[in-house]
Amino acid sequence: QSVLTQPPSASGTPGQRVTISCSGSSSNIGSRTVNWYQHLPGTAPKLLINNNDQRPSGVPDRFSGSKSGTSASLAISGLQSEDEADYYCAAWDDSLNGVVFGGGTKLTVL
Amino acid sequence: QVQLVQSGGGVVQPGGSLRLSCVSSGFTFSAYGFHWVRKAPGKGLEWVTFIPYHENTKYYADSVQGRFTISKDNSRNTLYLQMNILRAEDTAVYYCAKLAGSGPDVFDLWGQGTMVTVSS
Repeated sequence: QSVLTQPPSASGTPGQRVTISCSGSSSNIGSRTVNWYQHLPGTAPKLLINNNDQRPSGVPDRFSGSKSGTSASLAISGLQSEDEADYYCAAWDDSLNGVVFGGGTKLTVL
Repeated sequence: QVQLVQSGGGVVQPGGSLRLSCVSSGFTFSAYGFHWVRKAPGKGLEWVTFIPYHENTKYYADSVQGRFTISKDNSRNTLYLQMNILRAEDTAVYYCAKLAGSGPDVFDLWGQGTMVTVSS
């Protein structure tokens, strides 16, 4: 059971907009910033969104992040087949003194 | 070229030990903190341990506390993970990850991953 809660799966057709939610608590998302990672099988994870809503250089603006209270969301607009991957939210947890990840959401592009 | 190159994975029996290495290039290794993150088969990413750039305090997940040790050798630009008393549940792909800046949890560069299998 992960400390951060994500839906196990999400799907959409090319061009659609999908959102992935991430729910935490006051010791992590509620008091810290949220980061999102994209992970394709067999490759290293990639930073997608940091500090709730910041896109690192090279990440398309189709990806956006937001946070409210103890929850966060990742939105992907203009869905493309190459977006099919696992997506993880993460944050520092002040009670556990470590990083906590969500369980991951497998995105399928239909 | 900015990169992290990992080595040291393999198959080990329960109760055994293994040391993973993560060699950096293309940036000032001593100025950054690092983490190890693992992904077990069929499961999600799991944080393992963190060493800040100053190395004054090290942080461990409860699942590895007392068995794993993180360290870094600035002269060799290398991060290590010493894993002792290994268990079947430690079987996973292990990734080293570099921190982006002063915060403790933004990983902007990852190693390619190395497989650790604990089995008799």
